[in-house]
Amino acid sequence: DQQVKQNSPSLSVQEGRISILNCDYTNSMFDYFLWYKKYPAEGPTFLISISSIKDKNEDGRFTVFLNKSAKHLSLHIVPSQPGDSAVYFCAASEWGTGNQFYFGTGTSLTVIP
Amino acid sequence: GAGVSQSPRYKVAKRGQDVALRCDPISGHVSLFWYQQALGQGPEFLTYFQNEAQLDKSGLPSDRFFAERPEGSVSTLKIQRTQQEDSAVYLCASRALNTGELFFGEGSRLTVL
Repeated sequence: DQQVKQNSPSLSVQEGRISILNCDYTNSMFDYFLWYKKYPAEGPTFLISISSIKDKNEDGRFTVFLNKSAKHLSLHIVPSQPGDSAVYFCAASEWGTGNQFYFGTGTSLTVIP
Repeated sequence: GAGVSQSPRYKVAKRGQDVALRCDPISGHVSLFWYQQALGQGPEFLTYFQNEAQLDKSGLPSDRFFAERPEGSVSTLKIQRTQQEDSAVYLCASRALNTGELFFGEGSRLTVL
């Protein structure tokens, strides 16, 4: 049973516009969330994280929003750049009690120049 | 090296062969994880080490899968009597103690014929 879901397998966005990638989770015990970016033939690279004590975390062009009541998080990229084209995975875990990170199936983002 | 290093990058095995995949984590990282990523899926947890202790192996799909980290640094994932369903990318990740994000290697792509 998939505890972390990314329901959009792909997304295309024009360069300069906002990209919004969504992620839903089912386990209310999750309190730490991460986004990873993956290029072909490379391992995932960490992008940004958020703990459940916050509802927003920002790092440059990347902002992650967490809605605990809806068990939903989203990654906003603004402005989108062609180099952002990659597969994005969200991941969730229970900080301190669990060491498993549960990953979604990924969303492939294409930023069109 | 500065990052997580995995070898081999690519492995082709005949069904029934044994394979060994190596992971060299970031120096000083206490925690080490193995994940399996099938085509079109997100990474799925296999096992977790803290130093040399294997604290969680609940994700190993069968007793053909075995992982070790005898000196608390390099880890080896061994798959005995490989089957076609074992074909996947095997990702290793490490993490410093009590920090958040996992740092992934580039993965070992296993193809079982």
